[in-house]
Amino acid sequence: GEDVEQSLFLSVREGDSSVINCTYTDSSSTYLYWYKQEPGAGLQLLTYIFSNMDMKQDQRLTVLLNKKDKHLSLRIADTQTGDSAIYFCAESINGGFKTIFGAGTRLFVKA
Amino acid sequence: SAVISQKPSRDICQRGTSLTIQCQVDSQVTMMFWYRQQPGQSLTLIATANQGSEATYESGFVIDKFPISRPNLTFSTLTVSNMSPEDSSIYLCSVATSGRAEQYFGPGTRLTVT
Repeated sequence: GEDVEQSLFLSVREGDSSVINCTYTDSSSTYLYWYKQEPGAGLQLLTYIFSNMDMKQDQRLTVLLNKKDKHLSLRIADTQTGDSAIYFCAESINGGFKTIFGAGTRLFVKA
Repeated sequence: SAVISQKPSRDICQRGTSLTIQCQVDSQVTMMFWYRQQPGQSLTLIATANQGSEATYESGFVIDKFPISRPNLTFSTLTVSNMSPEDSSIYLCSVATSGRAEQYFGPGTRLTVT
């Protein structure tokens, strides 16, 4: 069945890079997403990558996709305390008509 | 990006009652979705709201419990019927446009059932 897995916690020091990893099972994914959720807030779309790409960079964010291993990662350069949040990995399937979410990775940034 | 509002933002309801949540988008969108996020959990898709026809429900969710309306391309409602404490959750509206990758979320409605 469809499944997206992430590690639950990550702790980094301010200024370091953060790398959040995700694996998924459905090889028919169209897009893969990273969302950010701050306490008490909705989900903010950070970035996404089309399934036929292997890398996408957007300012401090770099997404890497290994389609063979069904592995997605999000690298945040120069992590700041404002980056502390839960990060959700998600894949769209069925031609984009359904999105499956991982459990979320809670990122702690220490000053 | 689409701007999405939800009403109410939060509510406390008694068991056995029903609550209708509204979702309004500032532009016409092809697809509208309703998700549930239980405390400390990830998001689970409840249903896809289809304009002019019945919603498409995911496994484990039924129309009698979660009736959905979508009268036009910018508005949808989700009703949580005959509520029990297990329905305490955040309910999120999401939108997407056919042919585009972006899927945006509303701020959510935090529901507590006592």
